[in-house]
Parts: sequence; C-alpha cells; structure tokens
Amino acid sequence: KQEVTQIPAALSVPEGENLVLNCSFTDSAIYNLQWFRQDPGKGLTSLLLIQSSQREQTSGRLNASLDKSSGRSTLYIAASQPGDSATYLCAVTNAGKSTFGDGTTLTVKP
Amino acid sequence: EPEVTQTPSHQVTQMGQEVILRCVPISNHLYFYWYRQILGQKVEFLVSFYNNEISEKSEIFDDQFSVERPDGSNFTLKIRSTKLEDSAMYFCASSWQSNQPQHFGDGTRLSIL
Repeated sequence: KQEVTQIPAALSVPEGENLVLNCSFTDSAIYNLQWFRQDPGKGLTSLLLIQSSQREQTSGRLNASLDKSSGRSTLYIAASQPGDSATYLCAVTNAGKSTFGDGTTLTVKP
Repeated sequence: EPEVTQTPSHQVTQMGQEVILRCVPISNHLYFYWYRQILGQKVEFLVSFYNNEISEKSEIFDDQFSVERPDGSNFTLKIRSTKLEDSAMYFCASSWQSNQPQHFGDGTRLSIL
C-alpha cells in the first residue's frame, strides 16, 4: 500500500528566503507526482506535475524534482513571499489512485 | 481560466439520510474524481470516473457511495444512509487526460448530525 510522508509538517521562514519541502513515498511504481497548494477553507490548486519519466518541472519560482528510485520529491520555492503561505501537499498516482501526504504548512513572515 | 465548481458549499444532513453532492468539471476534461478530507486528516481518494464508468475506487468507496454523470456537464456523488463519520470536506476534480494535472473544486463541506 502506497504511503506518502511530507517533512517538515510546518515551516516558518522570513520573506525572501529560499526553501525546500520534502515528500517521500514507499512504492516507486508511480505514474506521476503532483504538488498542490491548499489555502484554508479552499480546494487544492495544482502547482506542478512530474511524470514518472521526468526528473524535474519548473514554474516561475517553483521547481519540483523527482527521484523515483529513492521514492523522493522536493519542492523548491525561491525568494519566498508572504503570499506563499499555505499548506503544500504532494500526491502520487499509481494504478489510477492518488495518495496524498499530510502536507507542509508554510508561513512566510514579512 | 476554467474551473471546477461544486455545489452546495455546505450541506447539513441528518444521519441516515441520502445526500447528493454536485460538481461541474472543466468542460473539455475527460477524467473525473472525488476525494474527501476529514477535518485534520489527509486528502483521501474515493473514486475516478472515465467514459461513463468507474475506473478505480478506494476501499472507502463501498456500496454506500455511487457516482453518476447524468448529463454532459454534471458529475455527482451520492451517499446513501449517511453516518456521522461521513462528515468531511468532499472535493471533486477533473483532468483532460489521466496523466495531466487534476484541477480541484473548492469542495462541499458535509456535516452529518
């Protein structure tokens, strides 16, 4: 059974700092991995999707990497801003089912 | 930008009653999903739907649950004989292809009394 773990559970940084969020999964036979952002009381906003054959994806200040063999992904956020404050979730898909981590709650202080 | 819309935003129902949660996926998307998130817990996959039939379902998605695409735009989740533990946020999502990003609605908060 796939299990997804995200570390740290919470992170507080000053504005402008670069940061890394971690996601690990137990079954490397994944179809893809997706990073989401969730704001309080809201749905999930897709940030980046990495196919199993890819190593990384970039969008603006965000860069996600995937090491399928070791069961790890990282989300790198450059030059963090207060508007980046949210919970970040990773989800892996295999056999048509998506498994989510608990998320990392990020607070960026002005 | 097109978005997934869910109604109602909040549903309060007596235990034992049936509820139908409604979703309008993005119009050109072919894959549809339901997830739930119990307060303070992880987002959990319930079911995926493609070509008018269930593609995959989790162990949570038992006979109490059913999904339907009654017309060309709506995608519904029916929960029969609701229980207290069905209280959760239910999210609908859609994607163009199974390997494309899933786009989520803002969810329906279901409260069972």
